[in-house]
Amino acid sequence: AQSVAQPEDQVNVAEGNPLTVKCTYSVSGNPYLFWYVQYPNRGLQFLLKYITGDNLVKGSYGFEAEFNKSQTSFHLKKPSALVSDSALYFCAVRDGAGGFKTIFGAGTRLFVKA
Amino acid sequence: AAGVIQSPRHLIKEKRETATLKCYPIPRHDTVYWYQQGPGQDPQFLISFYEKMQSDKGSIPDRFSAQQFSDYHSELNMSSLELGDSALYFCASSLGLAGGETQYFGPGTRLLVL
Repeated sequence: AQSVAQPEDQVNVAEGNPLTVKCTYSVSGNPYLFWYVQYPNRGLQFLLKYITGDNLVKGSYGFEAEFNKSQTSFHLKKPSALVSDSALYFCAVRDGAGGFKTIFGAGTRLFVKA
Repeated sequence: AAGVIQSPRHLIKEKRETATLKCYPIPRHDTVYWYQQGPGQDPQFLISFYEKMQSDKGSIPDRFSAQQFSDYHSELNMSSLELGDSALYFCASSLGLAGGETQYFGPGTRLLVL
């Protein structure tokens, strides 16, 4: 069965500093990996995804993520954090071996301090 | 650009009542997904439809049913509501169902069961 873990409930960074939000996954086939962001009382907004190809994926708002097959990780990164990046971030995985169920991680709350 | 539309945005029901949530996907999208997000929790996959047929089923209670209509909109019917059904219900849509397609989320319907 597929699963995804976000080991940190909360990440605190200062504005202008780099940020990393961690995600590890488990699937039986090839993984399809996604990052979404959720602002208060809003729906989830798509940031980026990894399907195949280059391990470094660039997405919206300056975010990027690196797929690491050996470590089964897909960490979200941004070189310079903004206060407006403060939100709840969800990693999600789909198992390429079959089924179309998307499993979300528990979410990581990012606080960026000015 | 057109987004996923969900109605109503807010709904208050009493225990044992029924509720119907509606989802209008992005134009030309043929796949619809339903998720339930409890307070402080990650979205839980309920059910999905591709070309008006159920494509996958998650943790959807037997009291709930859903369908996708000929115009691709979807409805989630919830009967015998329980207090624990209080949550944010998201609909998402995508084009195709190959595994790597991006799901675009609606703003959600907040259901409160009293």
